[in-house]
Amino acid sequence: GENVEQHPSTLSVQEGDSAVIKCTYSDSASNYFPWYKQELGKGPQLIIDIRSNVGEKKDQRIAVTLNKTAKHFSLHITETQPEDSAVYFCATPGTGNQFYFGTGTSLTVIP
Amino acid sequence: NAGVTQTPKFQVLKTGQSMTLQCAQDMNHEYMSWYRQDPGMGLRLIHYSVGAGITDQGEVPNGYNVSRSTTEDFPLRLLSAAPSQTSVYFCASGGGARNTEAFFGQGTRLTVV
Repeated sequence: GENVEQHPSTLSVQEGDSAVIKCTYSDSASNYFPWYKQELGKGPQLIIDIRSNVGEKKDQRIAVTLNKTAKHFSLHITETQPEDSAVYFCATPGTGNQFYFGTGTSLTVIP
Repeated sequence: NAGVTQTPKFQVLKTGQSMTLQCAQDMNHEYMSWYRQDPGMGLRLIHYSVGAGITDQGEVPNGYNVSRSTTEDFPLRLLSAAPSQTSVYFCASGGGARNTEAFFGQGTRLTVV
């Protein structure tokens, strides 16, 4: 199956700074790379996704970049705010119908 | 629009007991799945379904059963609960091989004593 590695596991930043979370994957056939945000006591929610025919996608303060050659993709959050504090998961499909998630990054934005 | 409704929110079981976690969606998604979330291990796929009458195993299926008699419902059964099944369980609707967004329920925090 797919092997998704996510780093770092915890990240603390000052409000207004940028945060970057990186994931690597093993299956070169993977072609869809979403990022999910999980707030305390809730289920994960999609915040941005990218498909393999593009290298970067932005949505206001968040962006995702994809390097298919190196098999990694990253989440970038700029001008961080306290409400960005949450656990973030990367994911990618494996073979067949399975979907694999990274181990999560707990982001804390310090006011 | 309810999205994904997952019940119960909390449950305590004794070792050996059985129970069913309920999941219902109103988005007409063919693909539904169950995950467990444990500290440091992310979300691990237990079972999934690509449509009514079709289910398959994920990464960690042992000790769990599923069925999909309708498009809307995808219950997860714990046959004989063990302390190793203490976890937070999430049902998701959508996603899968269609490479689209997965919508998650609120989760069930299960403790097996």
